[in-house]
Amino acid sequence: GAGVSQTPSNKVTEKGKYVELRCDPISGHTALYWYRQSLGQGPEFLIYFQGTGAADDSGLPNDRFFAVRPEGSVSTLKIQRTERGDSAVYLCASSRQRARNEQFFGPGTRLTVL
Amino acid sequence: GESVGLHLPTLSVQEGDNSIINCAYSNSASDYFIWYKQESGKGPQFIIDIRSNMDKRQGQRVTVLLNKTVKHLSLQIAATQPGDSAVYFCAESPTQGGSEKLVFGKGTKLTVNP
Repeated sequence: GAGVSQTPSNKVTEKGKYVELRCDPISGHTALYWYRQSLGQGPEFLIYFQGTGAADDSGLPNDRFFAVRPEGSVSTLKIQRTERGDSAVYLCASSRQRARNEQFFGPGTRLTVL
Repeated sequence: GESVGLHLPTLSVQEGDNSIINCAYSNSASDYFIWYKQESGKGPQFIIDIRSNMDKRQGQRVTVLLNKTVKHLSLQIAATQPGDSAVYFCAESPTQGGSEKLVFGKGTKLTVNP
């Protein structure tokens, strides 16, 4: 079956620009997560959705970062006024429900801010 | 805080040998632990998980051991194959706040020599 998909696979932008990263979770998965992975590091949690609502956004680094999931399926991570330090791979994961279920990861979007 | 470098711990083994990858986790309240495998350019792939009420769990060619006393997790891979070459991350799921987020360790790069 189809796994988690993310688009675009690569995004190059200039400092100060706005970007949107998209995640399509596995069909039927109610939980969705965004992580950020810098070179040589493990993924770092950003935000967790249960259905349409953000249940935990404690990992968002500042108010330039925002994410939505309006219909409880596809999610978009939005970054305003991008900075060079935002360059990383942004990973999306989904899982069936709460209660400690396996998170399935997508391939990630590599964001490069010049 | 703890400094984080760009150099991953590495483990090099011969094909057919057994591999042991270790991980120290930080939160004594975590009750769920997962091992992920990440190949270059791909998202993390689930290997095996374990809950805090267990100290050992076995899968196909893999075994996870959990020592809650010293907050230590290990992954054993039997008869290591070249396809096992990747970066391996342990992840913990803290129980506080009801979030299902995962906190990842720094990763270990496994190289299997034919």
